[in-house]
Amino acid sequence: GAVVSQHPSRVICKSGTSVKIECRSLDFQATTMFWYRQFPKQSLMLMATSNEGSKATYEQGVEKDKFLINHASLTLSTLTVTSAHPEDSSFYICSAREGGSSNTEAFFGQGTRLTVV
Amino acid sequence: RKEVEQDPGPFNVPEGATVAFNCTYSNSASQSFFWYRQDCRKEPKLLMSVYSSGNEDGRFTAQLNRASQYISLLIRDSKLSDSATYLCVVNMNTGFQKLVFGTGTRLLVSP
Repeated sequence: GAVVSQHPSRVICKSGTSVKIECRSLDFQATTMFWYRQFPKQSLMLMATSNEGSKATYEQGVEKDKFLINHASLTLSTLTVTSAHPEDSSFYICSAREGGSSNTEAFFGQGTRLTVV
Repeated sequence: RKEVEQDPGPFNVPEGATVAFNCTYSNSASQSFFWYRQDCRKEPKLLMSVYSSGNEDGRFTAQLNRASQYISLLIRDSKLSDSATYLCVVNMNTGFQKLVFGTGTRLLVSP
């Protein structure tokens, strides 16, 4: 099946620094990418949806200036957590889908566990 | 009201049991539906899509009820390896398409 590679898998950073997470579709063109956050024992919460070449659409309550999303190509999207704080510590996971059909399966990256100290 | 709602469980069942999960969604314009499975500390993986006519894949059966805005997943003859969290996923069109997850239902199958 299609593969989505997310990097890094784990990162520890100091409070106030920025962290960039990459999400790549390896064998298909990801027209749409989704970024989720999952806190322990909770569900995946959609943060934003991005289509290649356009600005991301953020969910209510997600600060677009804090969580910068770039989807500059059909195989790469990045999420940058700017000025990270301990409360940003979470599991971040991307998902990519090919084409515009709503029936298309979304494939997930392996996730990034972010710890802000 | 949450966009997608599920009973978080856990559902504790013995091996061989039949178990069913339901999921409700709020957006009547939702276009497609999926069940994903997530194992502890792993990424979600597609279990099956849900079609209007209902569909079956081995021990798993998915149903969609558009009138009542819910989908269901039935697992027959539960195996120990079925223990996981089952996520209901709805593709919504709110001017753009987005995939929204339910909270997940945790299933524990015991010997």
